Amino acid sequence: KQEVTQIPAALSVPEGENLVLNCSFTDSAIYNLQWFRQDPGKGLTSLLLIQSSQREQTSGRLNASLDKSSGRSTLYIAASQPGDSATYLCAVNNNDMRFGAGTRLTVKP
Amino acid sequence: EPEVTQTPSHQVTQMGQEVILRCVPISNHLYFYWYRQILGQKVEFLVSFYNNEISEKSEIFDDQFSVERPDGSNFTLKIRSTKLEDSAMYFCASSKQTRDTQYFGPGTRLTVL
Repeated sequence: KQEVTQIPAALSVPEGENLVLNCSFTDSAIYNLQWFRQDPGKGLTSLLLIQSSQREQTSGRLNASLDKSSGRSTLYIAASQPGDSATYLCAVNNNDMRFGAGTRLTVKP
Repeated sequence: EPEVTQTPSHQVTQMGQEVILRCVPISNHLYFYWYRQILGQKVEFLVSFYNNEISEKSEIFDDQFSVERPDGSNFTLKIRSTKLEDSAMYFCASSKQTRDTQYFGPGTRLTVL
């Protein structure tokens, strides 16, 4: 059974810092991996999708990498802003989508 | 920009009652999903739906649950006899193809008393 783990569970950084969120998964037979953002009490906003054949994807200040063989993905956020404060979820897709518990990010002004 | 919409935003029901949660997926999407998130826990996959059939379902999606696409725009999740442990946020999602980006709705908070 696929298990998805995210480290750290919470992270607090000053504005302007670059940061890395980590996601690991136990079964490398995945179709893709998706990173989401969730604001308190809200739905999930898709940030990036990486197909299993890809190594990384970029969108603005966000860069996600995927190392399928080692079961790891990272989400890099450059020049963090207070508006980036949210919970970041990774999810791996192999017929059904399995989510990690998320990293709660706080960016202090 | 097209969005997935869900109604109602909050539903309160008594244990044992039936509830229907409604979703309008993005119009040109072909794959539809339901997930739930119990407060403080991970988002959990319930079911995927394509071409008027269930494609995949999790162990959570037992006989108490059913899904339907009653017309060309709506996608519904029915819980026949709600239990206290069904209290959760229920998210609908849709994608163009099975391995494409999934777009989530804002969720319906279900409270079972």
